[in-house]
Amino acid sequence: EAGVAQSPRYKIIEKRQSVAFWCNPISGHATLYWYQQILGQGPKLLIQFQNNGVVDDSQLPKDRFSAERLKGVDSTLKIQPAKLEDSAVYLCASSFSGGVGDTQYFGPGTRLTVL
Amino acid sequence: RKEVEQDPGPFNVPEGATVAFNCTYSNSASQSFFWYRQDCRKEPKLLMSVYSSGNEDGRFTAQLNRASQYISLLIRDSKLSDSATYLCVVNTGFQKLVFGTGTRLLVSP
Repeated sequence: EAGVAQSPRYKIIEKRQSVAFWCNPISGHATLYWYQQILGQGPKLLIQFQNNGVVDDSQLPKDRFSAERLKGVDSTLKIQPAKLEDSAVYLCASSFSGGVGDTQYFGPGTRLTVL
Repeated sequence: RKEVEQDPGPFNVPEGATVAFNCTYSNSASQSFFWYRQDCRKEPKLLMSVYSSGNEDGRFTAQLNRASQYISLLIRDSKLSDSATYLCVVNTGFQKLVFGTGTRLLVSP
């Protein structure tokens, strides 16, 4: 079974530029998550989709971050404009149904460096 | 107070040692609990779920104490390959996972 795919794996941009990340979840998984992991910290949930609807985006900085999951499969996360503090690994995860005991499977992440 | 708290370590132990990590959580309504393992520059991977009755998987034992709101992970007979960061994860409800900062384990020969 193919895992969660993410691209690009690495991205270096200057502050105030824009950047977009792509995620393809495991086939058949209804729930998709985007996390931000800053060095030395645990992953922090940015947004959660159930199919193509948003379940939780309470920690998404909506003035600069946006995400979509058209057709309930692939998802993109965008940052515009980027700030230095956005330097982090952006992890995408998916789970079958998002239930209480559901396992989340993570992609390899995109390592973003903002200069 | 953080929702999930862990000692960041690092815990330095020799091969063959037994090591234990604890984690506390603040939301008493939390519904499910997990330990994830994260290798350096890799993604987190589920190590084991944690049940109220306690559960064991080979050299790993996880326990949950709901009254005191803490979770533990015990690793027996440590291997070099156990060196990683161990993330305590709590489902606080509404399908939301909250991760601790992780505890770093270094097993030396």
